[in-house]
Amino acid sequence: DVVLTQSPATLSVTPGERISLSCRASESVDTYLHWYQQKPNESPRLLIKYASQSISGIPSRFSGSGSGTDFTLSINGVELEDLSIYYCQQGNSLPYTFGAGTKLELK
Amino acid sequence: EVQLVESGGGLVQPGRSMKLSCAASGFTFSNYGMAWVRQAPTKGLEWVATISYDGSSTYYRDSVKGRFTISRDNAKSTLYLQMNSLRSEDTATYYCTQLGNYWGQGVMVTVSS
Repeated sequence: DVVLTQSPATLSVTPGERISLSCRASESVDTYLHWYQQKPNESPRLLIKYASQSISGIPSRFSGSGSGTDFTLSINGVELEDLSIYYCQQGNSLPYTFGAGTKLELK
Repeated sequence: EVQLVESGGGLVQPGRSMKLSCAASGFTFSNYGMAWVRQAPTKGLEWVATISYDGSSTYYRDSVKGRFTISRDNAKSTLYLQMNSLRSEDTATYYCTQLGNYWGQGVMVTVSS
């Protein structure tokens, strides 16, 4: 199974700053890497698909990059509503797997 | 508007069975692969099972293989998950998802005596 390692586990942020979250795969997943946001007691929401493709309705401050084994989710100007857990997921090979998540908290 | 509405969860004893349903609307259900993803309390997301658009192909994570069955009825735009021989470690919120693009609200399954 492909193991996805997300770092950091927790990130303390200040509104307005630019941040980057990392997701590293144990083997190449090409660009079959997707990012989700999950707020408490809510379902996950797709933010970025295929590493860098934007999703309709998602604010433009969210962007993704990477290919192969190293991926990054960036938030350009964090807002309070972004305080959530962020998961990466690979769709290159079954079983599809998720990272353990990065929790964004207020500094 | 795409909607995925799960039902069928609740409390069940270890070793018993339960069937989850997911009613889909707002898109052509028969054109899309579907999946079930679960999340144990305070834990991360875990892919459980996947089914192709026409039901001809299915995939299960090892821990549920032989116990869970994913199926679909395209005429009813409904996805199912039949869960047999349930264990305490199956306790989780189960989400129906259009392969990550859209998600249901989730249904809680608690396996306990």
